[in-house]
Amino acid sequence: EDQVTQSPEALRLQEGESSSLNCSYTVSGLRGLFWYRQDPGKGPEFLFTLYSAGEEKEKERLKATLTKKESFLHITAPKPEDSATYLCAVQEQAGGGADGLTFGKGTHLIIQP
Amino acid sequence: DAGVTQSPTHLIKTRGQQVTLRCSPKSGHDTVSWYQQALGQGPQFIFQYYEEEERQRGNFPDRFSGHQFPNYSSELNVNALLLGDSALYLCASSQKPGRGEKLFFGSGTQLSVL
Repeated sequence: EDQVTQSPEALRLQEGESSSLNCSYTVSGLRGLFWYRQDPGKGPEFLFTLYSAGEEKEKERLKATLTKKESFLHITAPKPEDSATYLCAVQEQAGGGADGLTFGKGTHLIIQP
Repeated sequence: DAGVTQSPTHLIKTRGQQVTLRCSPKSGHDTVSWYQQALGQGPQFIFQYYEEEERQRGNFPDRFSGHQFPNYSSELNVNALLLGDSALYLCASSQKPGRGEKLFFGSGTQLSVL
């Protein structure tokens, strides 16, 4: 069964202090790994999709990387508006066209001014 | 362009009752998925609808059922509510099921079961 583990559960940083969030996964075959951002009282907002080991994607202060067993979300010089819960999810490679995502519990990130 | 819309935003029910939640997908999207998010947890996949049929189902009992209409909107029905059904129910839409499709989520319906 798929399993997605995110660490740390919570992270408090000073504005400008760079760090990384980790997502480790076990899946028989990876179709895609997704990063989402979720603000309180709202649904997840799509950030990145990664498909194969070695792939990297960037968006503003965020950079996502993927290996065969884990993904990292690097946050460079964060600002208070980057405070949110960051969710990682995997989609399994399946012949039946299975599409449901398996999410981790998320990392609650707080950026202090 | 309206995104994914869900109604109602909040709902309070008692144990044993039945509830119906509604979702309108983003314009141009024809696939709808439902997720349950308990407090402090990540979303958990319930099921996906495409072409008015349930294509895939997560590990949820038959008390959870759904429907997709010709205009691609969808309903989630939960019968015989339990206290443990209290959660945020999220609807997500995409353009056709398939590899790595980008899901757009609504803001959810917060269901409280007393």
